[in-house]
Amino acid sequence: GQQVQQSPSSLVLQEGENAELQCNFSSTATQLQWFYQSPGGSLVSLLSNPSGTKHTGRLTSTTVTKERRSSLHISSSQTTDSGTYLCAIERNMGYKLTFGTGTSLLVDP
Amino acid sequence: DMKVTQMPRYLIKRMGENVLLECGQDMSHETMYWYRQDPGLGLQLIYISYDVDSNSEGDIPKGYRVSRKKREHFSLILDSAKTNQTSVYFCASSQQGENNQAPLFGEGTRLSVL
Repeated sequence: GQQVQQSPSSLVLQEGENAELQCNFSSTATQLQWFYQSPGGSLVSLLSNPSGTKHTGRLTSTTVTKERRSSLHISSSQTTDSGTYLCAIERNMGYKLTFGTGTSLLVDP
Repeated sequence: DMKVTQMPRYLIKRMGENVLLECGQDMSHETMYWYRQDPGLGLQLIYISYDVDSNSEGDIPKGYRVSRKKREHFSLILDSAKTNQTSVYFCASSQQGENNQAPLFGEGTRLSVL
């Protein structure tokens, strides 16, 4: 079965609203990364958060390792936040990342 | 400037032709990756390279091979391409041992096999 599951698969917000993205994983993760992918573009790392809570700008990630879940909170969304948010875990070291299928976010003005 | 460069950006090939995708990085990263991205499937790891001539299969290596003769350069080769290899291919690199460092991705190569 799929090792990394993300929800929701898509989300539409009005500018200024907050977003909560979820990532659940079925195997022990030694590392957890959140990425942003612009439409038709490449991936950019947002946060590395294997456990606990981390903040950067308007982004907050909380990972509960023993429950195998992570969340990404985007506050005061902007139209430029539109794109796909990907969660990825690293299993058993070895530097191999397994990706979820992503949450597609659309922020309307 | 830290960058992963992929060439070409777009490629159209006929079934049965050989395909060479190239990737370079200027950070002397030890680890490099090839992923493919398909709708509904996300990114899937094809191969990982831990250094020159130290390559390991990922989750979907069948139909692909790789070459890494210099640390800064990692090639993906499709011998006799198939239509189901139409996809977007991403190369990435990272430094081993860097705590929590995420891979740096290239812009992708969009391959169509007709």
